[in-house]
Amino acid sequence: DIVMTQSPDSLAVSLGERATINCRSIQSVLSSSNNKNYLAWYQQKPGQPPKLLIYWASTRESGVPDRFSGSGSGTDFTLTISSLQAEDAATYYCQQYYSYIHTFGQGTKLEIK
Amino acid sequence: EVQLVESGGGLVQPGGSLRLSCATSGFTFSDHYMDWVRQAPGKGLEWVGRSRNKVNSYTTEYVASVKGRFTISRDNSKELLYLQMDSLKTEDTAVYYCTLIGGAQYGGATVSSFWGQGTLVTVSP
Repeated sequence: DIVMTQSPDSLAVSLGERATINCRSIQSVLSSSNNKNYLAWYQQKPGQPPKLLIYWASTRESGVPDRFSGSGSGTDFTLTISSLQAEDAATYYCQQYYSYIHTFGQGTKLEIK
Repeated sequence: EVQLVESGGGLVQPGGSLRLSCATSGFTFSDHYMDWVRQAPGKGLEWVGRSRNKVNSYTTEYVASVKGRFTISRDNSKELLYLQMDSLKTEDTAVYYCTLIGGAQYGGATVSSFWGQGTLVTVSP
Protein backbone atom coordinates (compact mmCIF):
# COMPACT_ATOMS: atom_id res chain seq x y z
CA ASP A 1 0.00 0.00 0.00
CA ILE A 2 1.07 3.59 -0.60
CA VAL A 3 1.83 5.19 2.76
CA MET A 4 0.88 8.86 3.08
CA THR A 5 2.55 11.03 5.73
CA GLN A 6 1.35 14.49 6.67
CA SER A 7 3.21 17.24 8.49
CA PRO A 8 2.79 18.74 10.92
CA ASP A 9 0.38 16.67 13.01
CA SER A 10 -1.09 19.92 14.32
CA LEU A 11 -0.63 23.63 13.91
CA ALA A 12 -2.09 26.87 15.22
CA VAL A 13 -2.40 29.88 12.93
CA SER A 14 -3.78 33.36 13.53
CA LEU A 15 -6.85 34.62 11.71
CA GLY A 16 -5.92 36.13 8.36
CA GLU A 17 -2.57 34.37 8.25
CA ARG A 18 -1.45 31.61 5.89
CA ALA A 19 -1.67 27.95 6.85
CA THR A 20 0.38 25.28 5.10
CA ILE A 21 -0.06 21.52 5.43
CA ASN A 22 2.26 19.02 3.77
CA CYS A 23 1.64 15.52 2.49
CA ARG A 24 4.24 13.06 1.26
CA SER A 25 3.70 9.71 -0.41
CA ILE A 26 6.12 6.80 -0.25
CA GLN A 27 5.91 6.45 -4.03
CA SER A 28 4.89 8.78 -6.83
CA VAL A 29 1.17 9.29 -7.45
CA LEU A 30 1.80 11.02 -10.77
CA SER A 31 0.47 9.08 -13.70
CA SER A 32 2.64 9.05 -16.80
CA SER A 33 -0.39 8.27 -18.98
CA ASN A 34 -2.30 11.47 -18.23
CA ASN A 35 0.24 13.59 -16.30
CA LYS A 36 -2.14 13.91 -13.37
CA ASN A 37 -1.42 13.58 -9.68
CA TYR A 38 -3.87 11.23 -7.96
CA LEU A 39 -4.04 13.22 -4.74
CA ALA A 40 -7.04 14.67 -2.88
CA TRP A 41 -7.55 16.79 0.23
CA TYR A 42 -10.47 16.58 2.67
CA GLN A 43 -11.59 18.75 5.56
CA GLN A 44 -13.29 17.31 8.64
CA LYS A 45 -14.87 19.38 11.38
CA PRO A 46 -15.74 17.85 14.76
CA GLY A 47 -18.85 15.68 14.67
CA GLN A 48 -19.12 15.90 10.89
CA PRO A 49 -18.13 13.62 8.01
CA PRO A 50 -15.20 14.72 5.88
CA LYS A 51 -15.74 17.05 2.95
CA LEU A 52 -13.85 16.93 -0.33
CA LEU A 53 -11.81 20.10 -0.92
CA ILE A 54 -9.36 19.36 -3.73
CA TYR A 55 -8.67 16.57 -6.23
CA TRP A 56 -6.07 16.04 -8.94
CA ALA A 57 -3.78 17.75 -6.39
CA SER A 58 -4.92 21.26 -7.34
CA THR A 59 -8.53 21.24 -8.61
CA ARG A 60 -10.91 22.81 -6.13
CA GLU A 61 -14.23 21.08 -5.53
CA SER A 62 -17.25 23.17 -6.51
CA GLY A 63 -18.13 25.66 -3.80
CA VAL A 64 -14.78 25.53 -2.02
CA PRO A 65 -13.45 29.04 -1.33
CA ASP A 66 -10.48 30.12 -3.41
CA ARG A 67 -8.39 30.72 -0.29
CA PHE A 68 -7.86 26.94 -0.40
CA SER A 69 -5.26 25.80 -2.91
CA GLY A 70 -3.35 22.61 -3.57
CA SER A 71 0.04 22.19 -5.14
CA GLY A 72 2.83 19.69 -5.65
CA SER A 73 3.62 16.73 -7.84
CA GLY A 74 4.99 13.23 -7.64
CA THR A 75 5.49 12.53 -3.95
CA ASP A 76 5.26 15.95 -2.26
CA PHE A 77 2.10 17.98 -1.93
CA THR A 78 0.87 21.04 -0.07
CA LEU A 79 -2.51 22.38 0.99
CA THR A 80 -2.44 26.13 1.55
CA ILE A 81 -5.10 28.29 3.14
CA SER A 82 -4.14 31.80 2.12
CA SER A 83 -6.01 33.82 4.75
CA LEU A 84 -7.29 31.73 7.62
CA GLN A 85 -10.92 32.16 8.63
CA ALA A 86 -12.47 30.95 11.89
CA GLU A 87 -14.52 28.32 10.04
CA ASP A 88 -11.33 26.72 8.70
CA ALA A 89 -10.51 25.18 12.09
CA ALA A 90 -10.66 21.47 11.29
CA THR A 91 -8.60 18.36 10.63
CA TYR A 92 -7.28 18.00 7.10
CA TYR A 93 -6.48 14.71 5.36
CA CYS A 94 -4.70 13.95 2.13
CA GLN A 95 -5.60 10.80 0.18
CA GLN A 96 -3.98 9.10 -2.77
CA TYR A 97 -6.18 7.37 -5.32
CA TYR A 98 -3.36 6.19 -7.57
CA SER A 99 -3.50 2.60 -6.31
CA TYR A 100 -6.57 0.41 -5.86
CA ILE A 101 -6.20 0.85 -2.09
CA HIS A 102 -6.89 4.55 -1.51
CA THR A 103 -4.82 5.41 1.55
CA PHE A 104 -5.16 8.52 3.70
CA GLY A 105 -2.59 10.54 5.58
CA GLN A 106 -2.86 10.54 9.37
CA GLY A 107 -4.44 13.99 9.43
CA THR A 108 -3.36 17.49 10.45
CA LYS A 109 -5.34 19.36 13.07
CA LEU A 110 -5.54 23.07 12.34
CA GLU A 111 -6.45 25.40 15.19
CA ILE A 112 -6.92 29.13 15.42
CA LYS A 113 -4.24 30.88 17.46
CA GLU B 1 -30.04 16.05 -3.96
CA VAL B 2 -27.62 13.28 -3.06
CA GLN B 3 -28.37 11.45 0.16
CA LEU B 4 -26.44 8.65 1.83
CA VAL B 5 -27.83 7.22 5.07
CA GLU B 6 -25.93 4.50 6.92
CA SER B 7 -27.57 2.15 9.41
CA GLY B 8 -26.93 -1.13 11.15
CA GLY B 9 -24.22 -0.14 13.58
CA GLY B 10 -24.17 -1.23 17.19
CA LEU B 11 -22.39 -3.24 19.85
CA VAL B 12 -21.10 -6.69 18.94
CA GLN B 13 -18.76 -9.14 20.61
CA PRO B 14 -15.40 -10.10 19.14
CA GLY B 15 -15.86 -12.84 16.57
CA GLY B 16 -19.38 -11.69 15.81
CA SER B 17 -20.96 -10.33 12.65
CA LEU B 18 -22.79 -7.20 11.63
CA ARG B 19 -24.23 -5.91 8.37
CA LEU B 20 -24.20 -2.21 7.62
CA SER B 21 -26.52 -0.66 5.06
CA CYS B 22 -26.27 2.58 3.13
CA ALA B 23 -29.49 3.90 1.62
CA THR B 24 -28.79 6.08 -1.39
CA SER B 25 -30.81 8.56 -3.43
CA GLY B 26 -30.35 11.51 -5.74
CA PHE B 27 -28.06 9.83 -8.28
CA THR B 28 -27.99 6.79 -10.56
CA PHE B 29 -26.69 4.16 -8.15
CA SER B 30 -25.57 1.62 -10.75
CA ASP B 31 -23.44 4.21 -12.54
CA HIS B 32 -21.24 4.98 -9.56
CA TYR B 33 -18.45 3.44 -7.55
CA MET B 34 -19.14 3.43 -3.82
CA ASP B 35 -16.63 3.22 -0.96
CA TRP B 36 -16.67 2.43 2.73
CA VAL B 37 -14.32 4.48 4.93
CA ARG B 38 -13.97 4.10 8.69
CA GLN B 39 -12.70 6.20 11.55
CA ALA B 40 -11.77 4.76 14.93
CA PRO B 41 -12.68 6.98 17.90
CA GLY B 42 -10.35 9.97 18.00
CA LYS B 43 -8.31 8.62 15.08
CA GLY B 44 -7.85 9.28 11.37
CA LEU B 45 -9.59 7.96 8.30
CA GLU B 46 -9.04 4.46 6.93
CA TRP B 47 -10.25 3.42 3.50
CA VAL B 48 -12.00 0.05 3.89
CA GLY B 49 -13.18 -1.00 0.44
CA ARG B 50 -14.97 -0.30 -2.81
CA SER B 51 -17.79 -1.50 -5.00
CA ARG B 52 -17.31 -0.54 -8.62
CA ASN B 53 -20.17 0.32 -10.95
CA LYS B 54 -22.25 -1.76 -13.37
CA VAL B 55 -19.89 -1.11 -16.29
CA ASN B 56 -17.13 -2.63 -14.16
CA SER B 57 -19.31 -5.56 -13.07
CA TYR B 58 -19.62 -4.33 -9.48
CA THR B 59 -16.18 -5.73 -8.65
CA THR B 60 -14.76 -5.03 -5.21
CA GLU B 61 -11.50 -4.11 -3.47
CA TYR B 62 -10.57 -4.29 0.21
CA VAL B 63 -7.82 -3.05 2.46
CA ALA B 64 -5.63 -5.88 3.72
CA SER B 65 -6.82 -5.57 7.33
CA VAL B 66 -10.40 -6.55 6.40
CA LYS B 67 -9.87 -8.75 3.35
CA GLY B 68 -11.51 -12.14 3.84
CA ARG B 69 -13.65 -10.85 6.72
CA PHE B 70 -15.64 -8.01 5.14
CA THR B 71 -17.80 -8.18 2.01
CA ILE B 72 -19.28 -5.26 0.07
CA SER B 73 -22.42 -5.85 -1.95
CA ARG B 74 -25.33 -4.00 -3.50
CA ASP B 75 -29.05 -4.29 -3.98
CA ASN B 76 -29.44 -2.22 -7.12
CA SER B 77 -33.24 -2.48 -7.16
CA LYS B 78 -33.35 -0.82 -3.74
CA GLU B 79 -30.25 1.36 -4.30
CA LEU B 80 -28.66 -0.01 -1.17
CA LEU B 81 -24.98 -0.58 -0.45
CA TYR B 82 -23.98 -3.14 2.17
CA LEU B 83 -20.94 -3.94 4.26
CA GLN B 84 -21.07 -7.45 5.73
CA MET B 85 -18.57 -7.66 8.57
CA ASP B 86 -17.65 -11.09 9.94
CA SER B 87 -15.06 -12.28 12.47
CA LEU B 88 -15.08 -8.82 14.00
CA LYS B 89 -12.15 -7.68 16.12
CA THR B 90 -11.89 -4.95 18.73
CA GLU B 91 -9.77 -2.94 16.29
CA ASP B 92 -12.75 -2.77 13.91
CA THR B 93 -14.44 -0.37 16.34
CA ALA B 94 -15.11 2.78 14.33
CA VAL B 95 -17.61 5.04 12.66
CA TYR B 96 -18.24 3.60 9.21
CA TYR B 97 -18.96 6.03 6.38
CA CYS B 98 -20.53 5.24 3.05
CA THR B 99 -19.18 7.50 0.29
CA LEU B 100 -20.13 8.30 -3.28
CA ILE B 101 -17.23 8.21 -5.70
CA GLY B 102 -16.59 10.97 -8.16
CA GLY B 103 -18.63 11.12 -11.27
CA ALA B 104 -18.08 12.43 -14.78
CA GLN B 105 -17.64 15.98 -13.52
CA TYR B 106 -14.52 14.84 -11.64
CA GLY B 107 -12.77 13.72 -14.80
CA GLY B 108 -12.29 10.18 -13.58
CA ALA B 109 -10.98 11.07 -10.13
CA THR B 110 -12.11 8.24 -7.84
CA VAL B 111 -12.50 10.52 -4.83
CA SER B 112 -15.21 10.51 -2.17
CA SER B 113 -17.29 13.41 -3.40
CA PHE B 114 -20.13 12.88 -0.91
CA TRP B 115 -20.22 11.25 2.53
CA GLY B 116 -22.98 9.92 4.72
CA GLN B 117 -23.14 10.80 8.42
CA GLY B 118 -21.74 7.44 9.44
CA THR B 119 -22.79 4.63 11.77
CA LEU B 120 -20.85 3.54 14.86
CA VAL B 121 -19.72 -0.05 15.26
CA THR B 122 -18.38 -1.06 18.66
CA VAL B 123 -16.67 -4.43 19.04
CA SER B 124 -16.26 -5.23 22.71
CA PRO B 125 -16.56 -8.29 25.02
